[in-house]
Amino acid sequence: DTAVSQTPKYLVTQMGNDKSIKCEQNLGHDTMYWYKQDSKKFLKIMFSYNNKELIINETVPNRFSPKSPDKAHLNLHINSLELGDSAVYFCASSHGGRSGQPQHFGDGTRLSIL
Amino acid sequence: GQQVMQIPQYQHVQEGEDFTTYCNSSTTLSNIQWYKQRPGGHPVFLIQLVKSGEVKKQKRLTFQFGEAKKNSSLHITATQTTDVGTYFCAAPSSSARQLTFGSGTQLTVLP
Repeated sequence: DTAVSQTPKYLVTQMGNDKSIKCEQNLGHDTMYWYKQDSKKFLKIMFSYNNKELIINETVPNRFSPKSPDKAHLNLHINSLELGDSAVYFCASSHGGRSGQPQHFGDGTRLSIL
Repeated sequence: GQQVMQIPQYQHVQEGEDFTTYCNSSTTLSNIQWYKQRPGGHPVFLIQLVKSGEVKKQKRLTFQFGEAKKNSSLHITATQTTDVGTYFCAAPSSSARQLTFGSGTQLTVLP
């Protein structure tokens, strides 16, 4: 009965590979997010989807592409992985795309690039 | 874009001592939220403050929202080892389409 679940929890791969991270929420929220957290714990918003529409696309490389098949799922695909992509990626969800509502986070995916 | 400045970045306290983290914004905020992230864990929503001058308490935690709605603080009384983690403030951006997180305060409690 996990509210926001993302897989995998750990991802170790080589530079240049392509990988995907999946996220699902069962809270009935209509907005989902992807964050990147670096080693200094800084949380950077990457993408947000509201009712399957992209409403935020921060200045992230176009190697990162979010895909939302429905409002309960938001996946993140990364092409041509680079060393600097090593970080923890968090999925989150909330009610409402414009109201600054509290967000519920998944457990995170720890991505390590060799 | 809007920034929420949070200090200090790190804080080490002896168990039983008090702890405070502060957030400041140059613009008026519609609300401010606080999150806690345990080591190895994910951010967990603690509370949301909406009204000017609002004060809310959760056991040993006291949250304040400034009169001008530009600053906020989280105070922990008599810290315990279970308080260890990173505390983030977060506020809606000017468009209200996203939350802007502060840089976080990493709290270490020494037994």
